[in-house]
Amino acid sequence: EDKVVQSPLSLVVHEGDTVTLNCSYEVTNFRSLLWYKQEKKAPTFLFMLTSSGIEKKSGRLSSILDKKELFSILNITATQTGDSAVYLCAVDGQGGSEKLVFGKGTKLTVNP
Amino acid sequence: DTAVSQTPKYLVTQMGNDKSIKCEQNLGHDTMYWYKQDSKKFLKIMFSYNNKELIINETVPNRFSPKSPDKAHLNLHINSLELGDSAVYFCASSHRGRGDTQYFGPGTRLTVL
Repeated sequence: EDKVVQSPLSLVVHEGDTVTLNCSYEVTNFRSLLWYKQEKKAPTFLFMLTSSGIEKKSGRLSSILDKKELFSILNITATQTGDSAVYLCAVDGQGGSEKLVFGKGTKLTVNP
Repeated sequence: DTAVSQTPKYLVTQMGNDKSIKCEQNLGHDTMYWYKQDSKKFLKIMFSYNNKELIINETVPNRFSPKSPDKAHLNLHINSLELGDSAVYFCASSHRGRGDTQYFGPGTRLTVL
């Protein structure tokens, strides 16, 4: 069965800190890995990664995929209170299937 | 304009009732999904529709029936509601499927009393 494991489950930091969120996976026929940010309501898309070793960047957020070691990291530099959210990792991993398998998320709290 | 919309946002009902949640997307996407997010915030897929055809039906009770009148709409009908059905239900859509970015609706919080 496909599996996505995120760590840590929760993290509390101060504004200005840099954080690294981890996502490891075991899937058949890997196609892509996606990161989402979920605040109070619906998840919003951050990144989609398909190729190993290529960093995706958006402002203070960046992410990279290692297909050999089967993991991805999401980095947030100079954190702000607005970064407080649950960060979800999802993997598309089954041939012929339309589904994403989600991890349980990392709850990030950024204190002023 | 809202890309993926759901109604209602909140639904409180008694056990045994039948209820529906509606979802519409104006993105021109071919694939739509229903997810259930439980109290532990774990997001799990329930159904996926591609061009009005069911692609996935995970191990979901028969009381849940998705209905897609056209590719812009995917409604979720639930019969004989149970306490364990209380959760937030998210609708999502993607261009084709298979790893394409999924865009989520705002969610419907269902509470069964």
